[in-house]
Amino acid sequence: DVKVTQSSRYLVKRTGEKVFLECVQDMDHENMFWYRQDPGLGLRLIYFSYDVKMKEKGDIPEGYSVSREKKERFSLILESASTNQTSMYLCASISPRYGEQYFGPGTRLTVT
Amino acid sequence: GDSVTQMEGPVTLSEEAFLTINCTYTATGYPSLFWYVQYPGEGLQLLLKATKADDKGSNKGFEATYRKETTSFHLEKGSVQVSDSAVYFCALNSGGYQKVTFGTGTKLQVIP
Repeated sequence: DVKVTQSSRYLVKRTGEKVFLECVQDMDHENMFWYRQDPGLGLRLIYFSYDVKMKEKGDIPEGYSVSREKKERFSLILESASTNQTSMYLCASISPRYGEQYFGPGTRLTVT
Repeated sequence: GDSVTQMEGPVTLSEEAFLTINCTYTATGYPSLFWYVQYPGEGLQLLLKATKADDKGSNKGFEATYRKETTSFHLEKGSVQVSDSAVYFCALNSGGYQKVTFGTGTKLQVIP
């Protein structure tokens, strides 16, 4: 069965901390994505990666960076967490055949 | 650019009522179309998909037909259950790194 896992379901961090969110997929997909989801704003794309060490900015990359050292793993990094980064973070990979996405369970991050 | 418009929620229905959630899209070429469902506290799951005009996607009693002439992909279910309470997202993929465009989501609440 297709699987995307995220390192934490819930995370509480302090302002200014460096935060790592990790995502692993077992489907050998080339493309992976990080979104944030906020009430009333839907899903917004932060970054995506189309190959190892390759990345592209999405719609809201400010304050975030990413790392893709291995095909199965895609990490989102908050260099210096701020309270406006409190959100639900969703990782996804995408099937090359029809373009359907597979999502992880999400990480609810609270920055205090 | 690509866009997806879906009806505002929340939608509240009684158990066994008929469900329609409207979705229209704008895209270049011939996109694949999807409905995703998000249960409380979870990530998104693919509900159904259609990859070409006049295709009907179906799953768990839900159906949607890819209508190119009206650029629509409305979600329907004949008899909803309390367990169908969730947020439903319409989405499309028109290629190019396989980025997916999502609607803003429609919250469905089914009451006994």
